[in-house]
Amino acid sequence: DAGITQSPRHKVTETGTPVTLRCHQTENHRYMYWYRQDPGHGLRLIHYSYGVKDTDKGEVSDGYSVSRSKTEDFLLTLESATSSQTSVYFCAISDPDRGDTQYFGPGTRLTVL
Amino acid sequence: AQKITQTQPGMFVQEKEAVTLDCTYDTSDQSYGLFWYKQPSSGEMIFLIYQGSYDEQNATEGRYSLNFQKARKSANLVISASQLGDSAMYFCAMREGLNSGGYQKVTFGTGTKLQVIP
Repeated sequence: DAGITQSPRHKVTETGTPVTLRCHQTENHRYMYWYRQDPGHGLRLIHYSYGVKDTDKGEVSDGYSVSRSKTEDFLLTLESATSSQTSVYFCAISDPDRGDTQYFGPGTRLTVL
Repeated sequence: AQKITQTQPGMFVQEKEAVTLDCTYDTSDQSYGLFWYKQPSSGEMIFLIYQGSYDEQNATEGRYSLNFQKARKSANLVISASQLGDSAMYFCAMREGLNSGGYQKVTFGTGTKLQVIP
Protein backbone atom coordinates (compact mmCIF):
# COMPACT_ATOMS: atom_id res chain seq x y z
CA ASP A 1 0.00 0.00 0.00
CA ALA A 2 1.17 3.50 -0.83
CA GLY A 3 2.07 5.59 2.19
CA ILE A 4 -0.38 8.46 1.94
CA THR A 5 -1.95 10.28 4.85
CA GLN A 6 -4.44 13.11 4.93
CA SER A 7 -5.17 15.53 7.71
CA PRO A 8 -7.55 16.29 9.15
CA ARG A 9 -9.77 13.29 8.46
CA HIS A 10 -12.91 15.17 9.42
CA LYS A 11 -13.61 18.87 9.67
CA VAL A 12 -16.66 21.01 10.27
CA THR A 13 -16.32 24.68 9.54
CA GLU A 14 -18.44 27.72 8.88
CA THR A 15 -19.06 29.55 5.64
CA GLY A 16 -16.43 32.17 4.95
CA THR A 17 -13.63 30.65 6.99
CA PRO A 18 -10.35 29.50 5.42
CA VAL A 19 -9.60 25.78 5.46
CA THR A 20 -6.38 23.92 4.63
CA LEU A 21 -6.21 20.20 4.00
CA ARG A 22 -2.88 18.41 3.99
CA CYS A 23 -1.72 15.40 2.03
CA HIS A 24 1.55 13.72 2.98
CA GLN A 25 3.26 10.89 1.10
CA THR A 26 6.28 8.76 1.89
CA GLU A 27 6.57 7.19 -1.57
CA ASN A 28 8.50 9.96 -3.33
CA HIS A 29 5.95 9.98 -6.18
CA ARG A 30 6.29 12.92 -8.53
CA TYR A 31 2.60 13.60 -9.15
CA MET A 32 0.05 14.50 -6.50
CA TYR A 33 -3.64 15.24 -6.96
CA TRP A 34 -6.63 16.59 -5.09
CA TYR A 35 -10.07 15.26 -5.95
CA ARG A 36 -13.49 15.84 -4.52
CA GLN A 37 -16.15 13.17 -4.40
CA ASP A 38 -19.83 14.00 -4.49
CA PRO A 39 -22.84 11.71 -5.00
CA GLY A 40 -23.61 11.22 -8.68
CA HIS A 41 -20.34 12.80 -9.83
CA GLY A 42 -17.70 10.21 -9.11
CA LEU A 43 -14.34 11.84 -8.45
CA ARG A 44 -13.50 15.20 -9.97
CA LEU A 45 -10.02 16.66 -10.15
CA ILE A 46 -9.47 19.97 -8.37
CA HIS A 47 -5.74 20.58 -8.80
CA TYR A 48 -2.66 18.52 -9.39
CA SER A 49 1.09 18.89 -9.00
CA TYR A 50 3.84 17.49 -11.21
CA GLY A 51 6.72 18.55 -9.01
CA VAL A 52 7.79 20.89 -6.23
CA LYS A 53 6.18 24.29 -6.85
CA ASP A 54 4.66 22.98 -10.10
CA THR A 55 0.89 22.88 -10.00
CA ASP A 56 -2.01 23.19 -12.40
CA LYS A 57 -5.80 23.35 -12.39
CA GLY A 58 -8.21 20.49 -12.77
CA GLU A 59 -11.83 20.57 -13.85
CA VAL A 60 -13.31 22.05 -10.63
CA SER A 61 -10.60 24.43 -9.40
CA ASP A 62 -12.68 27.54 -8.67
CA GLY A 63 -12.51 28.46 -4.99
CA TYR A 64 -9.45 26.29 -4.33
CA SER A 65 -5.72 26.88 -4.30
CA VAL A 66 -2.82 24.50 -3.75
CA SER A 67 0.82 24.56 -2.80
CA ARG A 68 3.64 22.07 -2.91
CA SER A 69 6.84 23.22 -1.22
CA LYS A 70 8.20 19.70 -0.67
CA THR A 71 7.89 16.48 -2.65
CA GLU A 72 6.02 14.81 0.16
CA ASP A 73 3.42 17.49 0.97
CA PHE A 74 0.53 18.87 -1.09
CA LEU A 75 -1.80 21.38 0.53
CA LEU A 76 -5.31 22.26 -0.58
CA THR A 77 -6.72 25.58 0.62
CA LEU A 78 -10.26 26.84 0.54
CA GLU A 79 -9.74 30.58 0.94
CA SER A 80 -13.33 31.23 1.99
CA ALA A 81 -15.32 28.04 2.40
CA THR A 82 -18.83 27.79 0.98
CA SER A 83 -21.54 25.20 1.55
CA SER A 84 -21.03 23.92 -2.01
CA GLN A 85 -17.56 22.81 -0.94
CA THR A 86 -19.00 20.32 1.51
CA SER A 87 -17.58 17.09 0.16
CA VAL A 88 -15.14 14.26 0.67
CA TYR A 89 -11.66 15.22 -0.48
CA PHE A 90 -9.15 12.66 -1.67
CA CYS A 91 -5.46 13.06 -2.28
CA ALA A 92 -3.79 10.74 -4.77
CA ILE A 93 -0.25 10.12 -5.96
CA SER A 94 1.33 8.61 -9.03
CA ASP A 95 4.65 8.44 -10.78
CA PRO A 96 4.99 7.82 -14.53
CA ASP A 97 8.29 6.03 -13.93
CA ARG A 98 6.48 3.50 -11.74
CA GLY A 99 3.40 2.79 -13.84
CA ASP A 100 0.15 4.60 -14.48
CA THR A 101 -1.77 3.87 -11.32
CA GLN A 102 -2.99 6.56 -8.95
CA TYR A 103 -3.02 5.56 -5.30
CA PHE A 104 -5.38 7.33 -2.94
CA GLY A 105 -5.22 8.61 0.59
CA PRO A 106 -7.95 7.83 3.13
CA GLY A 107 -9.98 10.98 2.41
CA THR A 108 -11.10 14.02 4.39
CA ARG A 109 -14.76 14.65 5.06
CA LEU A 110 -15.37 18.41 5.09
CA THR A 111 -18.66 19.96 6.14
CA VAL A 112 -19.23 23.68 5.61
CA LEU A 113 -22.17 25.02 7.60
CA ALA B 1 -20.26 12.92 -24.06
CA GLN B 2 -19.37 10.89 -21.00
CA LYS B 3 -15.84 9.59 -21.07
CA ILE B 4 -16.60 6.73 -18.70
CA THR B 5 -20.06 5.21 -18.42
CA GLN B 6 -21.16 2.83 -15.73
CA THR B 7 -24.78 2.00 -16.46
CA GLN B 8 -25.49 -0.08 -13.35
CA PRO B 9 -26.05 2.16 -10.33
CA GLY B 10 -26.61 -0.89 -8.14
CA MET B 11 -26.28 -4.65 -8.36
CA PHE B 12 -26.90 -7.68 -6.20
CA VAL B 13 -25.02 -10.97 -6.33
CA GLN B 14 -25.30 -14.14 -4.34
CA GLU B 15 -22.28 -15.07 -2.27
CA LYS B 16 -19.88 -17.39 -4.14
CA GLU B 17 -21.35 -16.42 -7.52
CA ALA B 18 -19.50 -14.43 -10.19
CA VAL B 19 -20.57 -10.90 -11.11
CA THR B 20 -19.74 -8.55 -13.97
CA LEU B 21 -19.69 -4.80 -13.53
CA ASP B 22 -20.01 -2.90 -16.78
CA CYS B 23 -17.84 -0.03 -17.97
CA THR B 24 -17.71 1.60 -21.37
CA TYR B 25 -15.34 4.37 -22.33
CA ASP B 26 -14.90 6.96 -25.01
CA THR B 27 -11.54 8.14 -26.27
CA SER B 28 -9.85 8.95 -29.55
CA ASP B 29 -6.40 8.21 -28.12
CA GLN B 30 -4.62 5.07 -29.22
CA SER B 31 -2.73 4.76 -25.96
CA TYR B 32 -4.70 4.77 -22.74
CA GLY B 33 -5.14 2.88 -19.50
CA LEU B 34 -8.18 1.54 -17.70
CA PHE B 35 -8.52 1.06 -13.96
CA TRP B 36 -10.97 -0.27 -11.44
CA TYR B 37 -11.17 0.92 -7.86
CA LYS B 38 -13.17 -0.37 -4.92
CA GLN B 39 -14.63 1.92 -2.29
CA PRO B 40 -16.03 0.08 0.76
CA SER B 41 -18.34 1.79 3.20
CA SER B 42 -15.30 2.87 5.22
CA GLY B 43 -14.56 5.29 2.38
CA GLU B 44 -11.05 4.54 1.15
CA MET B 45 -10.34 4.09 -2.56
CA ILE B 46 -8.59 0.81 -3.22
CA PHE B 47 -6.89 0.10 -6.53
CA LEU B 48 -7.93 -3.27 -7.94
CA ILE B 49 -6.74 -3.79 -11.48
CA TYR B 50 -5.22 -2.08 -14.51
CA GLN B 51 -5.39 -2.70 -18.26
CA GLY B 52 -3.29 -0.90 -20.83
CA SER B 53 -4.75 -0.33 -24.27
CA TYR B 54 -1.90 -2.24 -25.90
CA ASP B 55 -2.08 -5.19 -23.54
CA GLU B 56 -3.18 -8.22 -25.52
CA GLN B 57 -4.13 -10.31 -22.53
CA ASN B 58 -6.96 -9.42 -20.17
CA ALA B 59 -5.63 -8.32 -16.80
CA THR B 60 -6.20 -10.55 -13.79
CA GLU B 61 -5.53 -9.99 -10.09
CA GLY B 62 -6.68 -12.83 -7.90
CA ARG B 63 -10.47 -13.01 -8.08
CA TYR B 64 -10.62 -9.88 -10.25
CA SER B 65 -10.32 -9.90 -14.02
CA LEU B 66 -10.87 -7.19 -16.55
CA ASN B 67 -12.79 -8.20 -19.67
CA PHE B 68 -11.24 -5.80 -22.17
CA GLN B 69 -13.01 -5.51 -25.53
CA LYS B 70 -11.20 -2.78 -27.37
CA ALA B 71 -13.41 -2.62 -30.46
CA ARG B 72 -16.49 -2.24 -28.26
CA LYS B 73 -14.68 0.17 -25.92
CA SER B 74 -15.67 -1.81 -22.89
CA ALA B 75 -13.66 -2.73 -19.80
CA ASN B 76 -15.90 -4.79 -17.59
CA LEU B 77 -14.79 -5.98 -14.17
CA VAL B 78 -15.47 -9.61 -13.35
CA ILE B 79 -15.39 -10.71 -9.74
CA SER B 80 -15.36 -14.47 -9.30
CA ALA B 81 -16.63 -16.29 -6.22
CA SER B 82 -18.12 -13.19 -4.58
CA GLN B 83 -17.55 -12.67 -0.88
CA LEU B 84 -19.45 -10.56 1.62
CA GLY B 85 -16.44 -8.26 1.82
CA ASP B 86 -16.88 -7.45 -1.87
CA SER B 87 -19.91 -5.30 -1.02
CA ALA B 88 -18.78 -1.81 -2.00
CA MET B 89 -18.88 0.89 -4.65
CA TYR B 90 -16.79 0.14 -7.70
CA PHE B 91 -15.39 2.85 -9.95
CA CYS B 92 -14.07 2.49 -13.46
CA ALA B 93 -11.50 5.05 -14.60
CA MET B 94 -9.51 5.86 -17.71
CA ARG B 95 -6.20 7.59 -18.28
CA GLU B 96 -5.67 9.03 -21.74
CA GLY B 97 -2.56 10.05 -23.61
CA LEU B 98 -0.13 7.69 -21.96
CA ASN B 99 2.71 8.55 -24.30
CA SER B 100 2.19 12.28 -24.48
CA GLY B 101 4.39 13.04 -21.48
CA GLY B 102 3.45 15.19 -18.53
CA TYR B 103 0.12 14.95 -16.84
CA GLN B 104 -2.34 12.41 -18.09
CA LYS B 105 -5.91 13.10 -17.12
CA VAL B 106 -7.82 10.40 -15.33
CA THR B 107 -11.59 10.37 -15.67
CA PHE B 108 -13.80 8.41 -13.29
CA GLY B 109 -17.22 6.90 -13.80
CA THR B 110 -20.04 7.48 -11.34
CA GLY B 111 -19.73 4.02 -9.83
CA THR B 112 -21.71 0.83 -9.30
CA LYS B 113 -22.84 -0.22 -5.85
CA LEU B 114 -22.44 -3.96 -5.42
CA GLN B 115 -24.18 -5.82 -2.64
CA VAL B 116 -23.30 -9.44 -1.94
CA ILE B 117 -26.14 -11.45 -0.45
CA PRO B 118 -25.37 -14.32 1.95
